Amino acid sequence: DAKTTQPNSMESNEEEPVHLPCNHSTISGTDYIHWYRQLPSQGPEYVIHGLTSNVNNRMASLAIAEDRKSSTLILHRATLRDAAVYYCILVESGGYQKVTFGTGTKLQVIP
Amino acid sequence: GAGVSQSPRYKVAKRGQDVALRCDPISGHVSLFWYQQALGQGPEFLTYFQNEAQLDKSGLPSDRFFAERPEGSVSTLKIQRTQQEDSAVYLCASRIEGGWLTDTQYFGPGTRLTVL
Repeated sequence: DAKTTQPNSMESNEEEPVHLPCNHSTISGTDYIHWYRQLPSQGPEYVIHGLTSNVNNRMASLAIAEDRKSSTLILHRATLRDAAVYYCILVESGGYQKVTFGTGTKLQVIP
Repeated sequence: GAGVSQSPRYKVAKRGQDVALRCDPISGHVSLFWYQQALGQGPEFLTYFQNEAQLDKSGLPSDRFFAERPEGSVSTLKIQRTQQEDSAVYLCASRIEGGWLTDTQYFGPGTRLTVL
């Protein structure tokens, strides 16, 4: 499985934008980039996904590098409720897509 | 609406005991996944069901682990003769269709298993 590399932890001030990076230099042409987050004592929840183009939804934006070897999850205004572990995952198209989570980035939001 | 539920939320077992962990997926969801999450780590894949068929059990760590989904809805993960290294959070996720690509996986809150 293609691997992703994320910083172990990041801090952000409340109401400021947060940029969470992910490196995936071995990504294949058919891999989608998914982001999930896990709040304390909860299961992971879907945030956003993309293939080549930047994506926006109500939770976040996903910026994908032109060579697809890296991506950035953007939270436009961090709130205390955004404190979580964020996982960047590569998902192969086709089949049922067994996925591999890494250790993720633990985001701390400072009031 | 109702999400994925898991029971019990917490389970303490003595080493050597058998345990059964239950997952109630979202109604109508075809795919069901089990994951194991050790403290401070990301979830690790255990097994995958499409309806009642177990299509992938490559992540089950030993033959002490067994999962079933006999009617294509509720699933049970059973661990026989529990060991201390089995202590972890066990997560269940369901998805409306087979595959992951375009539809969200919905995770339950997990069952925290502690083996003494």
